[in-house]
Amino acid sequence: GQQVMQIPQYQHVQEGEDFTTYCNSSTTLSNIQWYKQRPGGHPVFLIQLVKSGEVKKQKRLTFQFGEAKKNSSLHITATQTTDVGTYFCAGDAGNQFYFGTGTSLTVIP
Amino acid sequence: KAGVTQTPRYLIKTRGQQVTLSCSPISGHRSVSWYQQTPGQGLQFLFEYFSETQRNKGNFPGRFSGRQFSNSRSEMNVSTLELGDSALYLCASSLKGAQGNSPLHFGNGTRLTVT
Repeated sequence: GQQVMQIPQYQHVQEGEDFTTYCNSSTTLSNIQWYKQRPGGHPVFLIQLVKSGEVKKQKRLTFQFGEAKKNSSLHITATQTTDVGTYFCAGDAGNQFYFGTGTSLTVIP
Repeated sequence: KAGVTQTPRYLIKTRGQQVTLSCSPISGHRSVSWYQQTPGQGLQFLFEYFSETQRNKGNFPGRFSGRQFSNSRSEMNVSTLELGDSALYLCASSLKGAQGNSPLHFGNGTRLTVT
């Protein structure tokens, strides 16, 4: 079954509001990667986290990897219409690289 | 540097037929992995090839197979197509594979419709 779950599945926000998606794994992950897929497009790599408790920032995006390396989050500050898309986390659970179920973000101008 | 190229972009097949999809990775990338994307199941891992060897395999039936050539180009074959095989098939290349902490670079995908 699906080993990496993301919540929420869908999120609608007004432009300028913040957005967070959470990624939870049933097993410890050796790394976590985040991807963004625009409507009609393909997933594009955003970032990778490897260390327990690691936090990385990319402009308005903040990524965290949990202490137990079983969860991660992506937070976007002051969303813009260009942030629209589906955000996937993906992690190495040892025997396979699993993608999360994704969070589809809609930004209302 | 050219990106990942997948051909064809679109395919329509009927049940029982077979199909072959092609993927040319970024130059220098030795890992090619394949994913099936559907609205209900998200991104499902099919298999990964590295230097012509299958390194990992997902939970798909034996009707799904693949191979990788010496130039790292990869093909995926699906035999005896079923309606449920309708999906976007994505190929991703990377230097060492995602389990080697390398980012995945995806192609635009092949949209397969089985009627």
